[in-house]
Amino acid sequence: KQEVTQIPAALSVPEGENLVLNCSFTDSAIYNLQWFRQDPGKGLTSLLLIQSSQREQTSGRLNASLDKSSGRSTLYIAASQPGDSATYLCAVTGANSKLTFGKGITLSVRP
Amino acid sequence: NAGVMQNPRHLVRRRGQEARLRCSPMKGHSHVYWYRQLPEEGLKFMVYLQKENIIDESGMPKERFSAEFPKEGPSILRIQQVVRGDSAAYFCASSPPLAGGLDTQYFGPGTRLTVL
Repeated sequence: KQEVTQIPAALSVPEGENLVLNCSFTDSAIYNLQWFRQDPGKGLTSLLLIQSSQREQTSGRLNASLDKSSGRSTLYIAASQPGDSATYLCAVTGANSKLTFGKGITLSVRP
Repeated sequence: NAGVMQNPRHLVRRRGQEARLRCSPMKGHSHVYWYRQLPEEGLKFMVYLQKENIIDESGMPKERFSAEFPKEGPSILRIQQVVRGDSAAYFCASSPPLAGGLDTQYFGPGTRLTVL
């Protein structure tokens, strides 16, 4: 059974800091991995999707990497801003297109 | 191009009543997924549907829960005889008919169900 872990559960950083969010998964037989953002009381916004054959994806200040063999992914956020404050969820796609989510990392960027 | 739409956004039910949650996928999408987010928990997969077919319902509780995606109209998640433990945010996602459904899933805003 696939399990996705995100540690720590919460993170507080000053504005401008570069930061790395970690995600690990137990079963390397995945099709892809996605990072989502969730604002309080809102839905999910897909940030980056990395196919299993890829090593990384970039979008603006975000860069996500995938090491399938070791079951790890990182989301790198450059020059963090208060507007980046949200919960960041990592999810892997397995059989039958099911997404298995981690519990998320709640990020707070202090002005 | 409208995104995934869910209604209602908030739903309050008393114990024993029925809850019906609706999801309209993005235009051109034929795959629909339902997930549940319990307080302090991550999102959990419930069911995966294509038009008129349930592909995988392994995450759905065996009793009181059902889902459908008819040929016409939205997908419906139905919860009969709700209990307090059903209080959660229910999210719907859709994806286009590509690569066996392994494309990005686009999420709706969710329906927040509160059972009194």
